[in-house]
Amino acid sequence: AQSVTQLDSHVSVSEGTPVLLRCNYSSSYSPSLFWYVQHPNKGLQLLLKYTSAATLVKGINGFEAEFKKSETSFHLTKPSAHMSDAAEYFCVVSDRYTGKLIFGQGTTLQVKP
Amino acid sequence: EAQVTQNPRYLITVTGKKLTVTCSQNMNHEYMSWYRQDPGLGLRQIYYSMNVEVTDKGDVPEGYKVSRKEKRNFPLILESPSPNQTSLYFCASRDQQQEWAEAFFGQGTRLTVV
Repeated sequence: AQSVTQLDSHVSVSEGTPVLLRCNYSSSYSPSLFWYVQHPNKGLQLLLKYTSAATLVKGINGFEAEFKKSETSFHLTKPSAHMSDAAEYFCVVSDRYTGKLIFGQGTTLQVKP
Repeated sequence: EAQVTQNPRYLITVTGKKLTVTCSQNMNHEYMSWYRQDPGLGLRQIYYSMNVEVTDKGDVPEGYKVSRKEKRNFPLILESPSPNQTSLYFCASRDQQQEWAEAFFGQGTRLTVV
């Protein structure tokens, strides 16, 4: 069975400092992985996705994620946090047979001025 | 514009009073699903549908029903709502032919059952 684990439920950074949101996955085959962002009172928006074409994936708003098979990780990073990045972030794996998206528990990112 | 539309956005109801949350997509996607979001639990799948007249249970189907009579619509039905169904609900659709296809989500329905 596939699963994802987000290692931090809450991350707090200062504006202008780097962001690291950690995600580990478990899959019996090469996974399709996603990061989604949810701003307060909004739906979910795709940040980026890993499709096995490249291990370093660039997304919207300056976010990146690196797929590391040896560590079964797909951590999300951004060099410099902005106040508008404050939101909840979800790491997601897709089940190739059912189309089901399996969500991590979410990480709330707080950005302090 | 690619869109998933849910209605209503907010709903307060009483225990036992049947309700329906509608979901419609305009992308001709075969795959649609419903999730509920609860603090600390992420999103959990309630039901999904791979095509018209094809539905199946997700991880937390108890107390819910769905139907898929047309490709674009996938309503969520609570026959007898209970307080433990108070939650934030999302409908989603995606192109299931591609494993890496992005899912499109509705804006969410915040349901309170008193």
